[in-house]
Amino acid sequence: KAGVTQTPRYLIKTRGQQVTLSCSPISGHRSVSWYQQTPGQGLQFLFEYFSETQRNKGNFPGRFSGRQFSNSRSEMNVSTLELGDSALYLCASSQGNLYGYTFGSGTRLTVV
Amino acid sequence: KNEVEQSPQNLTAQEGEFITINCSYSVGISALHWLQQHPGGGIVSLFMLSSGKKKHGRLIATINIQEKHSSLHITASHPRDSAVYICAVAYNNNDMRFGAGTRLTVKP
Repeated sequence: KAGVTQTPRYLIKTRGQQVTLSCSPISGHRSVSWYQQTPGQGLQFLFEYFSETQRNKGNFPGRFSGRQFSNSRSEMNVSTLELGDSALYLCASSQGNLYGYTFGSGTRLTVV
Repeated sequence: KNEVEQSPQNLTAQEGEFITINCSYSVGISALHWLQQHPGGGIVSLFMLSSGKKKHGRLIATINIQEKHSSLHITASHPRDSAVYICAVAYNNNDMRFGAGTRLTVKP
């Protein structure tokens, strides 16, 4: 059974640009969550989607957005990149609230 | 103050030792997760708990809802257990809060 796939694995962008990251969940998983991990702030929750609906959003500015498609694949977008957006972005999928999460390997974004 | 407090921050053990990592949280939760992160970033979900105790191989996780406290135990530790262990709490609205992690090094 394929795991959670995140693409790309590594990305370098310039300040002011925008970026789109992709997450393909495990087949049958309808919940996809996104997280940001930095050395200073640790892991932080970005948002969670279930059946194409955003159910919750963490404390991040509006430059961070996401969506989920009918096949449960999810994308997150960061516009007007700042140096502080450099981080490991992780997504995780789940069958639902009562189940554990499976994490992807992450996308390491560097903003220069 | 972090909503999720883990201790210790760093832990060094000799192979074979029994290890305990603690996690305390401040408000009611719907579930608590223990995660393992190896160098390179990959995260593995070890346990999801809402009450009691769970065991998987040499790993045991317990939670005391009244005391808002959870522990992760590793029996007969091995160098391959070296990783960062992260406690995360989930609220009813699916929001999650993470501890800062415990960096475990097991020496042969």
